[in-house]
Amino acid sequence: AQTVTQSQPEMSVQEAETVTLSCTYDTSESNYYLFWYKQPPSRQMILVIRQEAYKQQNATENRFSVNFQKAAKSFSLKISDSQLGDTAMYFCAFMKHALGGGADGLTFGKGTHLIIQP
Amino acid sequence: DAGVTQSPTHLIKTRGQQVTLRCSPKSGHDTVSWYQQALGQGPQFIFQYYEEEERQRGNFPDRFSGHQFPNYSSELNVNALLLGDSALYLCASSLNRVVNQPQHFGDGTRLSIL
Repeated sequence: AQTVTQSQPEMSVQEAETVTLSCTYDTSESNYYLFWYKQPPSRQMILVIRQEAYKQQNATENRFSVNFQKAAKSFSLKISDSQLGDTAMYFCAFMKHALGGGADGLTFGKGTHLIIQP
Repeated sequence: DAGVTQSPTHLIKTRGQQVTLRCSPKSGHDTVSWYQQALGQGPQFIFQYYEEEERQRGNFPDRFSGHQFPNYSSELNVNALLLGDSALYLCASSLNRVVNQPQHFGDGTRLSIL
């Protein structure tokens, strides 16, 4: 079984600052995927960014980027030029490679509540 | 392009009762997964349905059961409700032939047990 740990229950930064959210995971799998999801008060889980474990290059999506350290089993999310709309719960999630097709169930961390102050 | 839809939005039940939650996957998706998110916690995987069968299951008791219909929509049933079943129940969908793609989530059903 795999576990995902997010050690920062809450973080607060000023608008336009850069913030980094931490995530570590434990697994015996060699092929897997990592995700960051955002959950605003509206409750819908929204995909922020995805990283394939077999790729050495860190994923980026506009203001969002990750620092993936496979040997250290670390997967942090950096948000640049933070905006008020970035205020939300952020969840790190692990998914092992689905051999039989489709997508396996996700294992989530407990989340980090990110607050962007005006 | 319709996203994942769940009903009802909010539900109140008492201990011992049974409940059914419903989910329609995103248009074009054929696989449905269910998650339980307790207050202040991350979602926990309950089970996944594909081709009307349970394909994968997390660490949840048999009180939690499901069904998938030919149109790919799904139901989550919980029997003998406990106070600890109070949570947000999230449905997520994906397309089986696209391996390892991210899942798309609905807005969830908030279940409160009195």
